[in-house]
Amino acid sequence: DQQVKQNSPSLSVQEGRISILNCDYTNSMFDYFLWYKKYPAEGPTFLISISSIKDKNEDGRFTVFLNKSAKHLSLHIVPSQPGDSAVYFCAASEENQGAQKLVFGQGTRLTINP
Amino acid sequence: DSGVTQTPKHLITATGQRVTLRCSPRSGDLSVYWYQQSLDQGLQFLIQYYNGEERAKGNILERFSAQQFPDLHSELNLSSLELGDSALYFCASSPSGIWYETQYFGPGTRLLVL
Repeated sequence: DQQVKQNSPSLSVQEGRISILNCDYTNSMFDYFLWYKKYPAEGPTFLISISSIKDKNEDGRFTVFLNKSAKHLSLHIVPSQPGDSAVYFCAASEENQGAQKLVFGQGTRLTINP
Repeated sequence: DSGVTQTPKHLITATGQRVTLRCSPRSGDLSVYWYQQSLDQGLQFLIQYYNGEERAKGNILERFSAQQFPDLHSELNLSSLELGDSALYFCASSPSGIWYETQYFGPGTRLLVL
């Protein structure tokens, strides 16, 4: 029972274009969402987050959109750069007696082609 | 560099053995989380500690245990190891462990059980 799903295992984008990574979730109690980027042999690195009270959060080249009614979030990277090539994980959490249990998707491998 | 350190980087052991993985959180962070990433599954939350106390539990097997010490470092103990325990084990930390905080990940320990 996967509560957070990233249906595209991989994505290939031309340098300079927009990369759009998608994530769907099933648990309507999730109210905080994060995107992490992971390079080989390293731990996940935090990119950007969004609270369920917002529908958009922007940080430089990265924008996360949240559609609560569709239980869908997406990460837009524009313009895409070769250094963006990595595996991207979306994660979700719900308030659980004050504690945080992050549930991760399976990841999408993004490749930026020069 | 997230500021979270994990040792050892790699560990090779045999079935039935016991190992201890160590994690030092970022300076000032009181909460530590453990995750397992195996080939066929994404990142799975195992357990969270806050200031020495267990805060939340995920999919942690009974053969696994963890603790957080007064200096806030944490150890994950894996016993009666099976082949299926081979995975990457990540530690993460956050300031207060509350549900809307960002978690910062260490580089991971790669465990191979032969």
